[in-house]
Amino acid sequence: AQTVTQSQPEMSVQEAETVTLSCTYDTSESDYYLFWYKQPPSRQMILVIRQEAYKQQNATENRFSVNFQKAAKSFSLKISDSQLGDAAMYFCAYRSLLNTGNQFYFGTGTSLTVIP
Amino acid sequence: EADIYQTPRYLVIGTGKKITLECSQTMGHDKMYWYQQDPGMELHLIHYSYGVNSTEKGDLSSESTVSRIRTEHFPLTLESARPSHTSQYLCASSPRPEKLFFGSGTQLSVL
Repeated sequence: AQTVTQSQPEMSVQEAETVTLSCTYDTSESDYYLFWYKQPPSRQMILVIRQEAYKQQNATENRFSVNFQKAAKSFSLKISDSQLGDAAMYFCAYRSLLNTGNQFYFGTGTSLTVIP
Repeated sequence: EADIYQTPRYLVIGTGKKITLECSQTMGHDKMYWYQQDPGMELHLIHYSYGVNSTEKGDLSSESTVSRIRTEHFPLTLESARPSHTSQYLCASSPRPEKLFFGSGTQLSVL
């Protein structure tokens, strides 16, 4: 089965600074999706950014960008110009393209604190 | 975007009670999921459904059951709640491989 590892249980960043959250995964598949989800305290989990494995270009969404290293099976999230509203749990997730069984695998999350 | 609703938001019950956690989505997604989330742990899949009358157990062993009689409705039932069932339960739905939408979750506490 696929595994997703987030080695940083907690991170902090000064407001307006840049922070990078790490994620590695293990798979034998060649095509898949990778995601970063954000879960603010007591609020709904929402999608931050998505990467298709067949695309070499790193995905970008405004202040959020990823560094996707397929050979290294690494998928880090960079948040630029951090804002107080970025404080949340961030989950890295892998989505298999196989059409059977479990398809989404999640890491244990990184709790991000933004310091004013 | 999908709207996916979970009720109740919080639930505190006594041991041995039967409970049903509700999950509904309004966008006609075929695939729906139930996850269990504990602090500091990854989300664990406990049940999933790929359409009406289709349900499967996930990776995490669970004493709960689910049903999928209508596309929009995917309730989870615990016949006899125990303290070990205390957790957050997240419902999600997916229209395509690249999208997964979550509800707000139900925080369950069993005393």
